[in-house]
Amino acid sequence: AQSVAQPEDQVNVAEGNPLTVKCTYSVSGNPYLFWYVQYPNRGLQFLLKYITGDNLVKGSYGFEAEFNKSQTSFHLKKPSALVSDSALYFCAAPPGNFNKFYFGSGTKLNVKP
Amino acid sequence: DSGVTQTPKHLITATGQRVTLRCSPRSGDLSVYWYQQSLDQGLQFLIQYYNGEERAKGNILERFSAQQFPDLHSELNLSSLELGDSALYFCASSVVSGQGGDTQYFGPGTRLTVL
Repeated sequence: AQSVAQPEDQVNVAEGNPLTVKCTYSVSGNPYLFWYVQYPNRGLQFLLKYITGDNLVKGSYGFEAEFNKSQTSFHLKKPSALVSDSALYFCAAPPGNFNKFYFGSGTKLNVKP
Repeated sequence: DSGVTQTPKHLITATGQRVTLRCSPRSGDLSVYWYQQSLDQGLQFLIQYYNGEERAKGNILERFSAQQFPDLHSELNLSSLELGDSALYFCASSVVSGQGGDTQYFGPGTRLTVL
């Protein structure tokens, strides 16, 4: 089955430290991979996506993600976390040539001051 | 602000009732998607419309239906509501390039509470 997985329900990091939120995928063909962020009582905001090309994708708010085909991963990273980055992060992928998204289960990021 | 609007923001109703959720896509987007977010099932794709026609179907119950109108706004109809239908319902919109990988932009959601 085609899907994305987020192995960590929660990630805790201190402000100023680097952060990583993990995502692995299982989709056929060339994957399109997305990261979204959801703040409390808000909709999902697009952060970045991988279509093709450079394996390091830069997105909004200083986030970046690294596509790794051999490990079928698309981890979200930021060099220096902010308290305001605390939110729920979702990895997503459309299967095949469809545009519907399969979402991971979400990872809650807690950044402590 | 994504440019996608949803009304109402909150909806409280009773079991057995029927409700309609409304979504207006971003200007220029022809495709609309509906998702359900619940605590136990996460974010689930329900249905996609493209330029008025159903394009893809996900885990949508038979009690739920949707449509997209000529002005491209969409409505999600939920009937014979059950307690388990309480959730956040999101609408998203995108262009459809035909090449996949189109970014979906999400509205703020409608929080449905069934009592």
